[in-house]
Amino acid sequence: DQQVKQNSPSLSVQEGRISILNCDYTNSMFDYFLWYKKYPAEGPTFLISISSIKDKNEDGRFTVFLNKSAKHLSLHIVPSQPGDSAVYFCAASDSGGGADGLTFGKGTHLIIQP
Amino acid sequence: NAGVTQTPKFRVLKTGQSMTLLCAQDMNHEYMYWYRQDPGMGLRLIHYSVGEGTTAKGEVPDGYNVSRLKKQNFLLGLESAAPSQTSVYFCASRTIRGAFFGQGTRLTVV
Repeated sequence: DQQVKQNSPSLSVQEGRISILNCDYTNSMFDYFLWYKKYPAEGPTFLISISSIKDKNEDGRFTVFLNKSAKHLSLHIVPSQPGDSAVYFCAASDSGGGADGLTFGKGTHLIIQP
Repeated sequence: NAGVTQTPKFRVLKTGQSMTLLCAQDMNHEYMYWYRQDPGMGLRLIHYSVGEGTTAKGEVPDGYNVSRLKKQNFLLGLESAAPSQTSVYFCASRTIRGAFFGQGTRLTVV
């Protein structure tokens, strides 16, 4: 049973517009969430994170929103740029970074069109 | 500042052969992980280690063994490779802030 779900395998957005990537989770013990970005032939790189005590975290063009009651988080990228084209993974852990690793979603391939 | 380094980057194995993937980190992190990435499957945890001399099983441990003899190194071994182990393998080390990944090892078992 998948504990972290990214239901959109791909998303196409026009350059300059807002990209919204969604993620749902089922494990109520998760209390720390991260987004990773991955280019082909490279390892995932950390983008932004949020603790369950917050509902929003912002870093430049990237904002993550957390809705604990709905077990849903989203990543907003504004404005979208060509270099944002990549696969984005949502990840979750419990106890603020427990030793047993991160649980990842299957990823969403974001394509920014000129 | 190397971060997390994986060797080799590519490898082709015949079924039944063995090999070891090496992961080295220079950030003095206690926690290290091995993941595999398959198309449409995201990243799945194979094994992990919470410190030198300790290892534990993740989500998909079968067919793999690991060792953490030194804090900076985490080795992933395949004793008898199978085609189902064709994948891209990522090593990571982490702090509470998040995980830092290596560039990956693309392994093909024929």
